Amino acid sequence: SQQGEEDPQALSIQEGENATMNCSYKTSINNLQWYRQNSGRGLVHLILIRSNEREKHSGRLRVTLDTSKKSSSLLITASRAADTASYFCATDFLTSGTYKYIFGTGTRLKVLA
Amino acid sequence: KAGVTQTPRYLIKTRGQQVTLSCSPISGHRSVSWYQQTPGQGLQFLFEYFSETQRNKGNFPGRFSGRQFSNSRSEMNVSTLELGDSALYLCASSLDGGTVETQYFGPGTRLLVL
Repeated sequence: SQQGEEDPQALSIQEGENATMNCSYKTSINNLQWYRQNSGRGLVHLILIRSNEREKHSGRLRVTLDTSKKSSSLLITASRAADTASYFCATDFLTSGTYKYIFGTGTRLKVLA
Repeated sequence: KAGVTQTPRYLIKTRGQQVTLSCSPISGHRSVSWYQQTPGQGLQFLFEYFSETQRNKGNFPGRFSGRQFSNSRSEMNVSTLELGDSALYLCASSLDGGTVETQYFGPGTRLLVL
């Protein structure tokens, strides 16, 4: 099964509102990253948080990481219609001497103008 | 700097055929990873190549294979196509695939198997 599970699966909000999506994972990780995907295209990297960090900001994005609960959240403040996309968390963890990257199931965000 | 490019962008094949997809990483990047994305299974890791060697592999059958050339360009091949292979195939490149690194994704190749 996938390392990361995200909720909600889908989220619909009004422009200007905040959007929060959550990611849970199963094993110990080194880092957790968030990506955005627009309508079946390639993924765009948003932010990386290391396992020894608890919070990170980038523009309108805020990511938290709770390693004790094996969970992370992505907050997008003051959302815009252009934020409409699918958002994925990705974790990397060491297994058999190499790193594997596992993506979550994704949250589909729709921002209504 | 040019981004990751993938060719072709769209492909239609029939069951039993084979297909080869190509990925050109960002200049200077030596690690290339491949992912399969489907509505049912989400994004799943296929394999990673670094310096022409497969360094990591996901849980896919042997019909899925890949290779990397000395210029870091990579190809993946799927033999004996099945209907369930219909998916968006994404490749991603990074400098050396180390853990604290961002992967840069290409636009993907959308494969439809009839």
